[in-house]
Order: sequence, then C-alpha cells, then structure tokens
Amino acid sequence: GNSVTQMEGPVTLSEEAFLTINCTYTATGYPSLFWYVQYPGEGLQLLLKATKADDKGSNKGFEATYRKETTSFHLEKGSVQVSDSAVYFCALSDRRETSGSRLTFGEGTQLTVNP
Amino acid sequence: AAGVIQSPRHLIKEKRETATLKCYPIPRHDTVYWYQQGPGQDPQFLISFYEKMQSDKGSIPDRFSAQQFSDYHSELNMSSLELGDSALYFCASSFRSHQETQYFGPGTRLLVL
Repeated sequence: GNSVTQMEGPVTLSEEAFLTINCTYTATGYPSLFWYVQYPGEGLQLLLKATKADDKGSNKGFEATYRKETTSFHLEKGSVQVSDSAVYFCALSDRRETSGSRLTFGEGTQLTVNP
Repeated sequence: AAGVIQSPRHLIKEKRETATLKCYPIPRHDTVYWYQQGPGQDPQFLISFYEKMQSDKGSIPDRFSAQQFSDYHSELNMSSLELGDSALYFCASSFRSHQETQYFGPGTRLLVL
C-alpha cells in the first residue's frame, strides 16, 4: 500500500535559519505529492503540490521538488519566520480512474521558530 | 473565497451516544472526503463521496455511516460512541477535474466522555 515517511520532529530553529523537512514515499504508479500545514487549533491548509516527476511546487517561500528516482519530496525554505511555526504534513494522492483520491499522510513534523 | 464549512466546531458526547457531523463543500465541488485525526497523529482517511455516491472507503468503523446529499453537503453519523472516537474530524472537498487537490475545512473536535 501507499505510505509516507517524514523526518522525526520536533524541529526547532532560530528566525532566518534554513529549513529542510524530509519526506519519502512508497506508492504504486505515479502519485501526486503535497505539503499541508496545520497551525495551532486550525485545519489543514494546502501549502504546495507537485503532480509529476521533477515538478517543483512553491508557495510563500517554501518549495519542494518531486524526485521520482529517490521517491522524495523534501520541503525547504531559505529563511524561516516565527509565523512559520506549525505542524507540516507531507501527503500523497494516488490517481484513480474514478473520483475520490484519498490522501495518505506522513506523521507530521512540528516546527518551532524562535525569535 | 468560500471555504469548506463544518459544523459543529466542537462537540461533547457521552459514551454510547450518537453524533452527527456536517460538511458543506466549496461551491461547485462535487467530491467530499472525511478524515479522522487523533491527538498528535496524522489524519486518517475514512470515506469519500462523488456525485452523491460513495467513491472510496477507508478505515471507517461499522458504527459510522455517511452520505452526500443532493446539494453536495455531507453528514457523518457516528453511533455507540467510544472514548477512542475522541478526535478532530476533517472534511475536505475537491472538484472532479482537480480531484487530486483537496481543500480542508476547520474540523470538528469531538470529545467523548
């Protein structure tokens, strides 16, 4: 079956530090890959996505590249801010003929950015 | 822009009671998904509906049922509640041509005492 593995957290950084959160996946076929962010007490917000190999998703300074050869989708940001403190989930969606592509999530990585 | 609406936002129930969670998808979205997120865990897929028909089923207990109505809103019915059902329940919606991208609601936090 499909699975997503994220680097263990929590991750604590100082403001303006470089961020990498590792994500690898196992899937049959060619899944779409996503990063979702969950701020305290809130729902899941789509951060970025990539739908095929070598695609780069980017949003709000975050980026991730779909690497088929290493089955990875690592999240990076060059300079984090205190407001980036949240839980980050890597997820995949297997493409289906019929509608209803369930998401499979990684365990989530808690990021705390200190001023 | 309109988002996914879930109600209620918080719910407290006793063991063995029933609960109904409602989800109103983004306008024009035809697919609804339900996920359960336990404390400190990742969301787990429960069930999805496309055009009012069940399209996929995950780890949904037999005590739970769900349906999608003609206006595309969905309801998750939970009976014989157990302590372990305490969780955050998310609804997400998507549009057929962009079915891979799901937009999540704020969630319903259910506490079973």
